[in-house]
Amino acid sequence: DIVMTQTPVSLSVTPGQPASISCRSSQSLLYTDGKIYLDWFLQRPGQSPQLLIYEVFNRFSGVPERFSGSGSGTDFTLEISRVEAEDIGVYYCMQALQLPPTFGQGTKLEIK
Amino acid sequence: EVHLVESGGGLVQPGRSLTLSCTASGFNLEDYTLSWVRQAPGKGLEWVGFIRSQTYGGTTEYAASVKGRFTISRDDSKNIAYLQMNSLKTEDTAVYYCTRDPYDYWGRGRLVTVS
Repeated sequence: DIVMTQTPVSLSVTPGQPASISCRSSQSLLYTDGKIYLDWFLQRPGQSPQLLIYEVFNRFSGVPERFSGSGSGTDFTLEISRVEAEDIGVYYCMQALQLPPTFGQGTKLEIK
Repeated sequence: EVHLVESGGGLVQPGRSLTLSCTASGFNLEDYTLSWVRQAPGKGLEWVGFIRSQTYGGTTEYAASVKGRFTISRDDSKNIAYLQMNSLKTEDTAVYYCTRDPYDYWGRGRLVTVS
């Protein structure tokens, strides 16, 4: 199975400041179709996960522009340009290249 | 508007069976692969399995931890998918979510407690 490793495990950010979460996969997520199957999700407290970013850098419908994704191969980053209070929760990366799909262990974002 | 709603679940003894349903609305379930993802209390997300759309054969795939015990099926005429769980173990205790491929919409989840 592809192992997904996220860092940091948690971070505390002042509103208005940027935040960055890293995700590393144990093998390249580049498929023969040229796409990279790496997604990012946010799970707010008490809620189900919601898709933020798909295929590394594509924002899902309704996701604010302050969220952006980047990366290639095995190293990926989710950035929040200016954190807001509603951004609290646990962020997960997930690879959908190979069965079984696997998730990172999660990064908990708190507000200072 | 797209909605996925899980039903079923609850408390069950080890070794027994339970079936969850996932009812879709706002789209044609038949056009999508449907996955189940679970989350043990205080833990992260774990993919359980999926059923492909009939376009791709309606075949299923499962995580190693549930293969041979869990079965995913679908009734596209009713816009419902199912997760049948047999020989349940205490480690199957989790909130179970259904989500359509490409994981863009998720249900609210149902708690299954095996004890």
